Amino acid sequence: DAKTTQPPSMDCAEGRAANLPCNHSTISGNEYVYWYRQIHSQGPQYIIHGLKNNETNEMASLIITEDRKSSTLILPHATLRDTAVYYCIVSGTQGGSEKLVFGKGTKLTVNP
Amino acid sequence: ETGVTQTPRHLVMGMTNKKSLKCEQHLGHNAMYWYKQSAKKPLELMFVYNFKEQTENNSVPSRFSPECPNSSHLFLHLHTLQPEDSALYLCASSQDRGFRTGELFFGEGSRLTVL
Repeated sequence: DAKTTQPPSMDCAEGRAANLPCNHSTISGNEYVYWYRQIHSQGPQYIIHGLKNNETNEMASLIITEDRKSSTLILPHATLRDTAVYYCIVSGTQGGSEKLVFGKGTKLTVNP
Repeated sequence: ETGVTQTPRHLVMGMTNKKSLKCEQHLGHNAMYWYKQSAKKPLELMFVYNFKEQTENNSVPSRFSPECPNSSHLFLHLHTLQPEDSALYLCASSQDRGFRTGELFFGEGSRLTVL
């Protein structure tokens, strides 16, 4: 089972920041937070991941609370192409192959 | 373009047919995965191959038979499927460095319909 809780859906206006929350209150000390997104009828796409520090890349920013029990993915200037299902995943780093368990995610709709 | 190619993109088959899904990755990765995504359900991990060896089988019925002849190719052989097996089958790859990075590269998926 997924170890995260996300709202089932969110709306955002084009050009505005989209802030997607995720709760992971049972996260362990060696587990990372990963974010993926899946645009309709495509495979999921990696966005970003972090352990405890905030992270930023060309796609998004990840803000993790100090107690690590929740995080927020920020798309700074949402576009219509950012409409997708966003998955927040918690997973450890031991072992070589990935053991990502996807939940139901948040369906983000960016409106014109 | 993710570097992971799946064929066919769409497949319709009867319950008595035998078909195969193919996945090829051009990223030099050494781990490959099959996921299943049914309507309105989360992605389910089916199989994991690491350096051509199967390391995970998530209680998948034997009518699904994976094959990994080398680190670049992964097949899913299908036989005697049921209508409830209709789903999007996704292949993914990653680089096993002895620790996880959380970065999977997915293909576009093969949409399977079982009549």
